[in-house]
Amino acid sequence: EPEVTQTPSHQVTQMGQEVILRCVPISNHLYFYWYRQILGQKVEFLVSFYNNEISEKSEIFDDQFSVERPDGSNFTLKIRSTKLEDSAMYFCASGSVATDTQYFGPGTRLTVL
Amino acid sequence: GNSVTQMEGPVTLSEEAFLTINCTYTATGYPSLFWYVQYPGEGLQLLLKATKADDKGSNKGFEATYRKETTSFHLEKGSVQVSDSAVYFCALFPNTGNQFYFGTGTSLTVIP
Repeated sequence: EPEVTQTPSHQVTQMGQEVILRCVPISNHLYFYWYRQILGQKVEFLVSFYNNEISEKSEIFDDQFSVERPDGSNFTLKIRSTKLEDSAMYFCASGSVATDTQYFGPGTRLTVL
Repeated sequence: GNSVTQMEGPVTLSEEAFLTINCTYTATGYPSLFWYVQYPGEGLQLLLKATKADDKGSNKGFEATYRKETTSFHLEKGSVQVSDSAVYFCALFPNTGNQFYFGTGTSLTVIP
């Protein structure tokens, strides 16, 4: 069964460094999403992406964040200058249509020191 | 606005015990309601969903009923197994927009 994959599973970085989190969505999907969960808090929507552009973003998704689909298979989330409060589990999701049927990856745990 | 509140964990139960994980929501309009499960090292997997009031979602022995009057979608299972040990997330998807609103997740451990 096809699944969404994410790499790395755990990333440790120093405050102020740039990080790129990678996701490989399911191959025929067209809609892509990032969510995050700070430890002990709710899973929060960050951004949705369709047709090579952002279709919706939350207040969390400020200028420090960017997303890209650099090739036909990867979907990346870049944080330009990480802060301590960016430490969280980041989930990627994809869907074939813009509905509630989103398939989630296992997450990348980002730790900012 | 839209939000989900679910029961704090962790929850530890003995095998064959009855499980309830409470979930309440606030929403504008008429959302769909979901339970997702995350097994260790895996992604969030859809467990069950209900799209309108009084609908019951069910899967793998788990059930939840969409209660509009109490704005709730509690997850239940009559007899848990060790293999049910996981983190369970309640979520809503509003009828406008394209994003999920999740709760914090409830960790369940079932001991033999």
